[in-house]
Amino acid sequence: NAGVIQTPRHKVTGKGQEATLWCEPISGHSAVFWYRQTIVQGLEFLTYFRNQAPIDDSGMPKERFSAQMPNQSHSTLKIQSTQPQDSAVYLCASSPSLEQYFGPGTRLTVL
Amino acid sequence: AQKVTQTQTSISVMEKTTVTMDCVYETQDSSYFLFWYKQTASGEIVFLIRQDSYKKENATVGHYSLNFQKPKSSIGLIITATQIEDSAVYFCAMREGITGNTRKLIFGLGTTLQVQP
Repeated sequence: NAGVIQTPRHKVTGKGQEATLWCEPISGHSAVFWYRQTIVQGLEFLTYFRNQAPIDDSGMPKERFSAQMPNQSHSTLKIQSTQPQDSAVYLCASSPSLEQYFGPGTRLTVL
Repeated sequence: AQKVTQTQTSISVMEKTTVTMDCVYETQDSSYFLFWYKQTASGEIVFLIRQDSYKKENATVGHYSLNFQKPKSSIGLIITATQIEDSAVYFCAMREGITGNTRKLIFGLGTTLQVQP
């Protein structure tokens, strides 16, 4: 039974480049979440989908970050014009109801 | 506004002993859910245990149990008979139950547990 899958596991981009992160939730889970983890800020909520519909994007930086869930088997988080402060581990989680199950994360490094 | 606070930055214990990790939370919601997660050295975040605010009995799963003190807005994690492999960072998290549409988790900053042989 596969858990949440995230690709790539590591990504290095230059300042100003675009980064797209992928998440495949656990089959049958209706909710998908994106979080960001840094040493300073800890784990921060970014955005949430339920049954593929965007429900809450209150944690998303408005200008350069976007997320989509085109079908029930994957979600993407896109960061345009990446900045060094975007360097973090980006975590995807899926949930059937209450508990959230996390993927291994994508470590994004912006040089 | 929601807030979760873990005041213990790190704890070191001897193997096979019992450890308690503290967590206090703030919420305006009358219904909420509290969680503990563990992040291993590899970075994997694992769900451990959940407490529903309307339940008076403390949740227990394996060698994890909770000390839920609702009047104090406190949810402590107790690990009995600790093992070396329990060494990890432990996060407390909260999800509000009925206000608005959000299901997001609010996390504390974590407590690093080191279990010594």
